[in-house]
Amino acid sequence: DAKTTQPDSMESTEGETVHLPCSHATISGNEYIYWYRQVPLQGPEYVTHGLQQNTTNSMAFLAIASDRKSSTLILTHVSLRDAAVYHCILNSGGSNYKLTFGKGTLLTVTP
Amino acid sequence: DPKIIQKPKYLVAVTGSEKILICEQYLGHNAMYWYRQSAKKPLEFMFSYSYQKLMDNQTASSRFQPQSSKKNHLDLQITALKPDDSATYFCASSQPTGGKDTQYFGPGTRLLVL
Repeated sequence: DAKTTQPDSMESTEGETVHLPCSHATISGNEYIYWYRQVPLQGPEYVTHGLQQNTTNSMAFLAIASDRKSSTLILTHVSLRDAAVYHCILNSGGSNYKLTFGKGTLLTVTP
Repeated sequence: DPKIIQKPKYLVAVTGSEKILICEQYLGHNAMYWYRQSAKKPLEFMFSYSYQKLMDNQTASSRFQPQSSKKNHLDLQITALKPDDSATYFCASSQPTGGKDTQYFGPGTRLLVL
């Protein structure tokens, strides 16, 4: 069973801010929320991760709901290079190193 | 400089043959992984190694055998190749922290079995 739910696709225009939602209603207390993105013919690229607090880095801002049942990846001033499939994945780390990828959200960016 | 090297980038093989996919990481990590991505499907976890020991094996077939000769190497040997093995194989690595564990992926090896 999928542990996260994401829209299949979203569209944006260059320069806009994009909010990519992810629902994880059954998240456990020790599970981190990870975001990866993948463009065709390339390996997944780490974007960001968080546990409870909102986080920010050079790639994105991750907003985590106070009950941790959902999160939103926010991309500001998107460019054509941000077009990719974005994956929201739960990872408890420790001895369970497996990342389970779903279909993710295909972000299309138009000029 | 690339931190995770996978060789070769492309590989064509005949059914029944054997191939080895190479993965080297220069991130100083102690955990390495293999994932597979068939056409238009999500990445699928195959193996995880930590400190050169097998931690998890999610492949149903013994035809897939990881080989860890050095701490920063995790090669994948595939025997008796089948057309269904055609996929892109991604290697990844991370530093086990006991809690969060960020995996970084290589560029992949695209395997085509005829």
